[in-house]
Amino acid sequence: GNSVTQMEGPVTLSEEAFLTINCTYTATGYPSLFWYVQYPGEGLQLLLKATKADDKGSNKGFEATYRKETTSFHLEKGSVQVSDSAVYFCALFTGTASKLTFGTGTRLQVTL
Amino acid sequence: EAQVTQNPRYLITVTGKKLTVTCSQNMNHEYMSWYRQDPGLGLRQIYYSMNVEVTDKGDVPEGYKVSRKEKRNFPLILESPSPNQTSLYFCASSRKREETQYFGPGTRLLVL
Repeated sequence: GNSVTQMEGPVTLSEEAFLTINCTYTATGYPSLFWYVQYPGEGLQLLLKATKADDKGSNKGFEATYRKETTSFHLEKGSVQVSDSAVYFCALFTGTASKLTFGTGTRLQVTL
Repeated sequence: EAQVTQNPRYLITVTGKKLTVTCSQNMNHEYMSWYRQDPGLGLRQIYYSMNVEVTDKGDVPEGYKVSRKEKRNFPLILESPSPNQTSLYFCASSRKREETQYFGPGTRLLVL
């Protein structure tokens, strides 16, 4: 079956630090890959996505590249802000499963 | 404003007392889905619907029912809630099943 593995949190960084949150996946077929973000007390919002190998998704300074050879979709940001503090979920979708499969989430805390 | 709404946002109930969590979307989306979010487990799909009158089980359907009588609404029904259904519930919708899903704000349920 499909699965997504994310690095354990929480991740605590100082403002302006470089962020990487690792995500690897197992899937049958050719999944689409997503990063969702959940701010405190809110629902999930799509942060970025990539639908095929070597695609790069980007939004709000965050980037992730779909790497088929390493089955990875790591999230990066060059300089985090306090407002980036949230829980980040990596997810994949395959047509055969008709659903999003989520990782367990990584909590990011950014301090001044 | 395009959105997915859920009601109630917070609910405390007792074991065995039937309850319904409503979900509505105003984007004319075909696909709708319910997820529950539990610590350390990420989000898991409960049920989904490809269109009106078409529903199917997700990964954790036991103890839940759904219906899709209208395109915009997808209520989640707990006929006899139990404490292990204490969780944070999210409704999501997308134009087609393979496209980006948009999430509601969540319903936090406590079953005593």
